[in-house]
Amino acid sequence: KQEVTQIPAALSVPEGENLVLNCSFTDSAIYNLQWFRQDPGKGLTSLLLIQSSQREQTSGRLNASLDKSSGRSTLYIAASQPGDSATYLCAGMNTGFQKLVFGTGTRLLVSP
Amino acid sequence: DAMVIQNPRYQVTQFGKPVTLSCSQTLNHNVMYWYQQKSSQAPKLLFHYYDKDFNNEADTPDNFQSRRPNTSFCFLDIRSPGLGDAAMYLCATSSNRDKHQETQYFGPGTRLLVL
Repeated sequence: KQEVTQIPAALSVPEGENLVLNCSFTDSAIYNLQWFRQDPGKGLTSLLLIQSSQREQTSGRLNASLDKSSGRSTLYIAASQPGDSATYLCAGMNTGFQKLVFGTGTRLLVSP
Repeated sequence: DAMVIQNPRYQVTQFGKPVTLSCSQTLNHNVMYWYQQKSSQAPKLLFHYYDKDFNNEADTPDNFQSRRPNTSFCFLDIRSPGLGDAAMYLCATSSNRDKHQETQYFGPGTRLLVL
């Protein structure tokens, strides 16, 4: 059974810093891994999707990596901005079906 | 441009009074999902439809039912809401026509309050 863990649970940084969010998963038979952003009281916005055959994906200031052998994914945010403040969730999907298993998220606060 | 729409955004119901949440999509995706997310917790999959095929998670209570009358719409019915069912309910869609999993697109969610 896939389990996904995110550390830290909360992170506070000053504007402009580069930061890394961590995601660990227990089952290496992962089909893909997704990173989402969730603003308070809102739905989820997909940020990046990494297929199992890929090692990383980039979108603007965001870069996500996937290392299946170690069961880890990271989300790198460059030059953080106050607008990046949100909860970031990673979710893994195993082969066989489209069931996403979510981590509990990292709550990020970027202060001006 | 709204792709996954959920109505209402906020729903208040009474303990034991049936309630229905709705989800519609303009993406023509064949897979639709319902997730429950309680405060500070990860979203938890309740069930999903693969085309017309309904797939229930093993630990989803019988109190939760779903209907998908056509490709665009999916409903979540809570037959007798309890206080513990207060949560954000998220609808999502994805396309899997070529057996290749693509991104799941989420709606804004419906926050359910049970009095």
